[in-house]
Amino acid sequence: GDSVTQMEGPVTLSEEAFLTINCTYTATGYPSLFWYVQYPGEGLQLLLKATKADDKGSNKGFEATYRKETTSFHLEKGSVQVSDSAVYFCALSDLGRDDKIIFGKGTRLHILP
Amino acid sequence: EPEVTQTPSHQVTQMGQEVILRCVPISNHLYFYWYRQILGQKVEFLVSFYNNEISEKSEIFDDQFSVERPDGSNFTLKIRSTKLEDSAMYFCASSLLGREGFSGELFFGEGSRLTVL
Repeated sequence: GDSVTQMEGPVTLSEEAFLTINCTYTATGYPSLFWYVQYPGEGLQLLLKATKADDKGSNKGFEATYRKETTSFHLEKGSVQVSDSAVYFCALSDLGRDDKIIFGKGTRLHILP
Repeated sequence: EPEVTQTPSHQVTQMGQEVILRCVPISNHLYFYWYRQILGQKVEFLVSFYNNEISEKSEIFDDQFSVERPDGSNFTLKIRSTKLEDSAMYFCASSLLGREGFSGELFFGEGSRLTVL
């Protein structure tokens, strides 16, 4: 079945460092891809999405590009802040067919001041 | 800003006991979901619910599980006879649109941590 694999955490970086969190997927169809984020004490929330190959999703300085050839959707940010400390979940869904989201395990990110 | 709320935040129970986890979805949302995350594992889909009936359920959602929308605001997950392996974080979520109209954006609560001893 469809699945998502993301890099293990925790990831610890200093403020203003460059961030990459790797995510690869396996899917039989043409899924839409997402990054969700869970800040401390809050529920998961959608950070960005891409619905087709070569689309780039972006939000709050984060970006991810849907790469069909490498089945990847890596999350990047050029300069992280302490407030970016959270758990990041890569996910996919077959939009237009159903509303089930398949998530990865999540990657915990710590940003040090 | 509207949000999904869940209670309790943490529940400890003995194996074999019944547990009810409660959720108040965003008021104008029509589609409701439960997901769970066992420690160190992926967030897994359990069930989706629309128009007072289950739309889809996973293999995990066996006869020990049930969902209900007892009134216009609450959405509950009941586990009839808890097992050790039910220990997990349970997330409730809601969305305005679902099924073929789903945009990919779910609104999640903070989660209810269930510990079965």
